[in-house]
Amino acid sequence: EAGVVQSPRYKIIEKKQPVAFWCNPISGHNTLYWYRQNLGQGPELLIRYENEEAVDDSQLPKDRFSAERLKGVDSTLKIQPAELGDSAVYLCASSIQGKAENIQYFGAGTRLSVL
Amino acid sequence: KQEVTQIPAALSVPEGENLVLNCSFTDSAIYNLQWFRQDPGKGLTSLLLIQSSQREQTSGRLNASLDKSSGRSTLYIAASQPGDSATYLCAGFQGGSEKLVFGKGTKLTVNP
Repeated sequence: EAGVVQSPRYKIIEKKQPVAFWCNPISGHNTLYWYRQNLGQGPELLIRYENEEAVDDSQLPKDRFSAERLKGVDSTLKIQPAELGDSAVYLCASSIQGKAENIQYFGAGTRLSVL
Repeated sequence: KQEVTQIPAALSVPEGENLVLNCSFTDSAIYNLQWFRQDPGKGLTSLLLIQSSQREQTSGRLNASLDKSSGRSTLYIAASQPGDSATYLCAGFQGGSEKLVFGKGTKLTVNP
């Protein structure tokens, strides 16, 4: 069974440029999460989807970040414009349901460097 | 607000040693405590999940315990191997929320 797939693996951009990340969750998982992990820190939740509905986006900086999950499967996370402080690893995870007893499966992440 | 602290930040041990990684949390309402492993450049892999009704979980050479009253969880690794070298993160769900809160992790190096 394929795991959570993210692309690209690495992205280097100049500040003020836009950038987008893509995530394909495990088949059958209706809950999808985007996390940001700064160097030396644990991941922090940006947004959680139940199917195509964003049920928790309280930590998403909405002035520059946006996300979508069309048809409740794949998801994209966009930053426009990017700032130096956005350099981090962006992790996507999925679970069968958004319940605490359901394990979240993580992708390998996209490492973003903003110059 | 739930805060999760992991001590030590880094640990280096010789192969074969038994070791304990520590995790503490500020809110005893934490539930479904999990331990994850993260290899360099990789995502997180769930190792053990301790549900609210449980006090420990075991998988192979790994044993995780949870003491909510003291606000602590430990991950015990028996007979460590170089392949165990990775960063280990603990995380739990904040009471009244479905948000997973992570510690900063302990970077473990097992020397051959």
